[in-house]
Amino acid sequence: DGGITQSPKYLFRKEGQNVTLSCEQNLNHDAMYWYRQDPGQGLRLIYYSQIVNDFQKGDIAEGYSVSREKKESFPLTVTSAQKNPTAFYLCASSTVDSGVTEAFFGQGTRLTVV
Amino acid sequence: SQKIEQNSEALNIQEGKTATLTCNYTNYSPAYLQWYRQDPGRGPVFLLLIRENEKEKRKERLKVTFDTTLKQSLFHITASQPADSATYLCALASNSGTYKYIFGTGTRLKVLA
Repeated sequence: DGGITQSPKYLFRKEGQNVTLSCEQNLNHDAMYWYRQDPGQGLRLIYYSQIVNDFQKGDIAEGYSVSREKKESFPLTVTSAQKNPTAFYLCASSTVDSGVTEAFFGQGTRLTVV
Repeated sequence: SQKIEQNSEALNIQEGKTATLTCNYTNYSPAYLQWYRQDPGRGPVFLLLIRENEKEKRKERLKVTFDTTLKQSLFHITASQPADSATYLCALASNSGTYKYIFGTGTRLKVLA
């Protein structure tokens, strides 16, 4: 089955620790995205990548880092510099070769700082 | 700055009625507007995409309108069912070559049996 997989589903982090959220897709999509969702709020863009080895900051990139070494993978690291990391994190992917199309989302990772 | 507004209050309607959700935007000229459905604890699922040169799009019981003059999109679910209860998000994208989706806050719909 083609799709986008995020892991883990739940993640607990101690203050001061870095954690990495995994996102893998087998849809052969060029573009991948990371969003953050807080309760009662919409999705806010953290980082996005349209091609391997290239990525751009979104609206709330501070305290986060990404890499795009493979087309299939776009991991997100939440660093200790992120002041309020507890949130629901969503990864998405889309094609870019025929204009804007739908974004496919993973099931999300809920990160809690303890 | 770019802003997308959706009614933050939940919308409750009776089963069988038409639900109408609104998406307004400012400081943006999107070429594409999309609607997604999100269930609690899950990722959004794509429903419909409409382009700036299209006035209306339909898919089964769903209808979307896009008024670039009013900077508004309306999303209609006809003959609503309890299974339609979810949060609905609108998203905008430009045709600038940067494939970046900007999402609204979503409107929670509850269809009462």
